[in-house]
Amino acid sequence: GEDVEQSLFLSVREGDSSVINCTYTDSSSTYLYWYKQEPGAGLQLLTYIFSNMDMKQDQRLTVLLNKKDKHLSLRIADTQTGDSAIYFCAEKVQAGTALIFGKGTTLSVSS
Amino acid sequence: NAGVTQTPKFQVLKTGQSMTLQCAQDMNHEYMSWYRQDPGMGLRLIHYSVGAGITDQGEVPNGYNVSRSTTEDFPLRLLSAAPSQTSVYFCASQGLLTGELFFGEGSRLTVL
Repeated sequence: GEDVEQSLFLSVREGDSSVINCTYTDSSSTYLYWYKQEPGAGLQLLTYIFSNMDMKQDQRLTVLLNKKDKHLSLRIADTQTGDSAIYFCAEKVQAGTALIFGKGTTLSVSS
Repeated sequence: NAGVTQTPKFQVLKTGQSMTLQCAQDMNHEYMSWYRQDPGMGLRLIHYSVGAGITDQGEVPNGYNVSRSTTEDFPLRLLSAAPSQTSVYFCASQGLLTGELFFGEGSRLTVL
C-alpha cells in the first residue's frame, strides 16, 4: 500500500544546513510536496516537485528527488530559528485523490 | 483572499454531544477533504469530496459524517462525541493543476 516515511526529529545549529529526508512506496506518484507547520497553525505549502524532475531550487530550499530509490529530500540552507517547525512530506498518486502524508519531522534550530 | 476558513477554532464537548465543524473555501475547488492530526500519528484522512453531492470515506471515517451541498462548503459532523475524537481537525481544498492542498487554520476539539 501507499506509505510515506520520515524521521521524527532533526536538530541543527543556526546557520547550518538542514536536510530532511522522506521515502515513499508508490512509484506512480505524480507530485511530491513539502509542507511546513508552525506551532498552533495549519500546514503551509513550502514547495513541490513534479515526478519527472530531479531537483528544484527555491531561494534557501532545495528539493532532490530520486525516483529509483523513492527518496525525497528537503535541504534548507542557512537555517534560521524561524525555520523551527514540523515539516511534512506528502505524495499524490493519481489525479483528484487525497495526498498521503508522512508523520512529520520536527526541526529544532538552536542559536 | 480568504482561502479555506474553518470554524470554530476551539471547542470543548462532553461525551455524547454532537457538533459540526464548518469549512468554507472561496477558490472554486472541486476537491475538499478533512484530516485529523494527532501526536505521533501525522495527518489522517477522515472524509473527502470530489464535488458537490459526492463524498467518500478516508482512512478514519467512523464517528463522522459529511455532506457537500455546495462547492464552497464541506461541514464535518460529529454524531456522538467520544474522548478518542479529541484532536486537531484540518479542512483542505485541492488545486486542480498541481494537486496541492490548501489548509485551514485548524479546529482544536477536546472531548471530556
